Parts: sequence; structure tokens; C-alpha cells
Amino acid sequence: DAGVIQSPRHEVTEMGQEVTLRCKPISGHNSLFWYRQTMMRGLELLIYFNNNVPIDDSGMPEDRFSAKMPNASFSTLKIQPSEPRDSAVYFCASRSVSIYFGEGSWLTVV
Amino acid sequence: TQLLEQSPQFLSIQEGENLTVYCNSSSVFSSLQWYRQEPGEGPVLLVTVVTGGEVKKLKRLTFQFGDARKDSSLHITAAQPGDTGLYLCAGPYSGAGSYQLTFGKGTKLSVIP
Repeated sequence: DAGVIQSPRHEVTEMGQEVTLRCKPISGHNSLFWYRQTMMRGLELLIYFNNNVPIDDSGMPEDRFSAKMPNASFSTLKIQPSEPRDSAVYFCASRSVSIYFGEGSWLTVV
Repeated sequence: TQLLEQSPQFLSIQEGENLTVYCNSSSVFSSLQWYRQEPGEGPVLLVTVVTGGEVKKLKRLTFQFGDARKDSSLHITAAQPGDTGLYLCAGPYSGAGSYQLTFGKGTKLSVIP
């Protein structure tokens, strides 16, 4: 199995631009998570889907962030407009019994 | 909010030394997990401890869950450069059957050859 696949791996964008991060979970996993990791705050859960339905989005920092899961094999996390404080590594993870993380998307907003 | 405090934050040791890192909380957790994250990659699950007082061994790594299920430790014997990485502990949010994990900020371990 290819594991959780995220794209892009790295993105540098200017403040105000829209950013879309993509995730393909492991086939057969029915739970998907988006996390953000920074030095200051560590790993923070942003949103959690179960069977493609958002269960808890209380970790989404503000309305500039949105996430969708249109089907069992694809999810997006969108930031619009982006700000420098959004710079972080964004991880997607999926779970059946154990949780598996992707390699992350490294976002820099300048 | 259930917080997990990890210590030390940074640890640099020579190859062959032993070390212990800690994960503490004021809250009771139904289980705790330990992950290792290498640079440029996502966290990888090492072990889950469920029972208070439980000890699990994974080669040179020994994991212990506190009797009160509020803390855990990871002991590495004869550390090797391949053990270098960020060690994270995580526990499920309170609430039955919760899949959501809260993570500590981690201990960054460097093993010098």
C-alpha cells in the first residue's frame, strides 16, 4: 500500500493567495484527519472526518480555513486568504485501527 | 482541555548511552500512544499502552504507562544514531470512542555517533 499521499510536499506562496492542500487516504480507512504542526504549538488537530462526513472542525483556526472530503479517497484543506502565520507543516492522516500519517505539506506564506 | 507535557524538550546523547523521556498529564487517559517522527516525515506509531502499570518492549525501547494512567515514559537502552528523531506521546480526547488524539510537543532526540 502506498500509504497516505499528500500534495504538494512544499509550497511557498504570497500573503493573500489561496492555498489548497490535497490528501489521498489509505484505501479502506474510514477516518481522515488534518493536523497542523509548528514548533510553538506542536501537532494540532484541525478537523476530523468519519465516512466522509466532518465530525469535529473545532480546531479550524478561523473562517479562512475550510476542508472537504467529497469521496472516500480524497480530501482538501483550503486556506483563503493565506497569511504568514499559517506557515506550518500540514499533515493528513487516516485511520482504520491505527492512525497513519502522510509525509506532510510544508507551507510557507511570505 | 487535556494537555500532555513532554520532557525534556531536547536531548543530545552519545551513541551507546541510555535515556528516558517522559509524558505527563493531570488528566487520566484511557490509553497513550508513542510516535517517532523523523525529519521531513510524518509521525509513525511505535506503541499503544492501555492498562495502568503496563510495560511494553520494542527491541531496545521500553514503554511504561503509569499506574494512574496519567503519565508514561519511554526508555531507550544503548541508543543508536538511528534512534534520532522527535518522540511524541498522544492520547485520545475525553469522550467514549473518540478517535481524536491530543499530542504532546515532543522530545527531540539526537544520538551522536
